[in-house]
Amino acid sequence: DIQMTQSPSSLSASVGDRVTITCRASQSISSYLNWYQQKPGKAPKLLIFAASILQSGVPSRFSGSGSGTDFTLTISSLQPEDFATYYCQQSSSTPPFTFGPGTKVGIK
Amino acid sequence: EVQLVESGGGLVQPGGSLRLSCAAYGLTLSSYWMSWVRQAPGRGLEWVANINQDGSEKYYVDSLKGRFTISRDNARNSLFLQMNTLRAEDTAVYYCARRAITVTTYDYYYYIDVWGKGTTVTVSS
Repeated sequence: DIQMTQSPSSLSASVGDRVTITCRASQSISSYLNWYQQKPGKAPKLLIFAASILQSGVPSRFSGSGSGTDFTLTISSLQPEDFATYYCQQSSSTPPFTFGPGTKVGIK
Repeated sequence: EVQLVESGGGLVQPGGSLRLSCAAYGLTLSSYWMSWVRQAPGRGLEWVANINQDGSEKYYVDSLKGRFTISRDNARNSLFLQMNTLRAEDTAVYYCARRAITVTTYDYYYYIDVWGKGTTVTVSS
C-alpha cells in the first residue's frame, strides 16, 4: 500500500505569512495528489487536485506543486479563514486512497 | 444546491451492526464513483470504501474488508454502508462523498469534490 506522510504536523503562523506544507508518498503517484482543508466540526473541502489544479472557487493564494513522491501546498499570504487542518490524499489507480495525517495551521 | 445527506448513525454496542445511508440532492449519483470516508474523534481522515457507477466495482481499506459493505441504489439516488461486527475503534464521523473526475489531454484525475456533513457512529457498551 502507498503510505502518505505530511510535514510539519502542525505550525503556527501569522496573517500575511507564506505557509508551505509538504506531503510525501511512499512510492511514485505521478500527479495523483489532492489537497483538502478541514475546519473543526466541518466536512473537508477540496482545494487542489492533480497536484496543482486549483478547484473552482478556491482563492488563488493557494497553490500546489510536485510530482512523483514529493508535493507541496503553499498559501502565499495566510488569511484568518485559512486557520484549519490540511490533508493530502493519493488518488492513483491503486487503492487504498490514503490520506496524509494532516497539518494543523494555527495562529501565532 | 448540491447536497449529500447522511443518516443512520447512532450508538451501538460492540459486535452490533448499523446501516448508513446517504441521499443525494441536486446531483445524479449514477454518474459518479462514490466514497465513504471516516474520521475518529480527534484523528485524521480515513478512506473507507469506493463504489463505481453501477456497483460492479468496490474497493475497501484492508482493515475493514469483510465487515463493511458499500452499496448503492441509483433509482433512489442513494449510497449505503453496511457495518457489521462493530468495534470501539469504528467510532467516528462517517462522510459520504462524491468522487469526481477531470480528464485532461494525457490523463484523468479523481478527487472528492462534494462531501456530506457526516453522521456520527459511536460503538460503546
